[in-house]
Amino acid sequence: GAVVSQHPSWVICKSGTSVKIECRSLDFQATTMFWYRQFPKQSLMLMATSNEGSKATYEQGVEKDKFLINHASLTLSTLTVTSAHPEDSSFYICSARTGVLFSTDTQYFGPGTRLTVL
Amino acid sequence: KNQVEQSPQSLIILEGKNCTLQCNYTVSPFSNLRWYKQDTGRGPVSLTIMTFSENTKSNGRYTATLDADTKQSSLHITASQLSDSASYICVVSALPASGGSYIPTFGRGTSLIVHP
Repeated sequence: GAVVSQHPSWVICKSGTSVKIECRSLDFQATTMFWYRQFPKQSLMLMATSNEGSKATYEQGVEKDKFLINHASLTLSTLTVTSAHPEDSSFYICSARTGVLFSTDTQYFGPGTRLTVL
Repeated sequence: KNQVEQSPQSLIILEGKNCTLQCNYTVSPFSNLRWYKQDTGRGPVSLTIMTFSENTKSNGRYTATLDADTKQSSLHITASQLSDSASYICVVSALPASGGSYIPTFGRGTSLIVHP
């Protein structure tokens, strides 16, 4: 149980285009989903937290107009990298939190999406 | 500022040997500490979780310890296998006394390579 999927697994795009990454909780409802970015040999960096039906909360330094997050349902969140540039090339990982808010801290991570911007 | 420091940054061992990874943290107010295993190009997978009152937690060949007084944790891997080659990440969560959601702080991870 508690499986989180991401699609696509990897994507290569041209500079200036937009890329959408999907994150789905397959067998549970996730009221909160998180988006992380990870550069080579670095730890995960939290980009934003999204609660179903409300606007995402972005971490300091993360441009909300560039990284659009939509959490329209309890099982799906999307991250759209708009006007992507080579410096946006990274490994993007989502996680979903199960359980009632405050009562548990269990995050289940997706397999990640490798984005390469040429 | 909440911080999680892991050591060593990287480690190479021979198959069958044991190893211990360290995690020191300054996270307040402490709620729980998790160890994750992240294979290259994959998302992290939880190995253990410990709260303030737990000193040790095992998951197969993985044993995590926690000393809440010194704010240190270790992950011990026994009889290492080639499949243990991965990055091991220590994550310490705080739960603000004023309310709100858990706030996780990630360590940078220890890269473990197990050679045959």
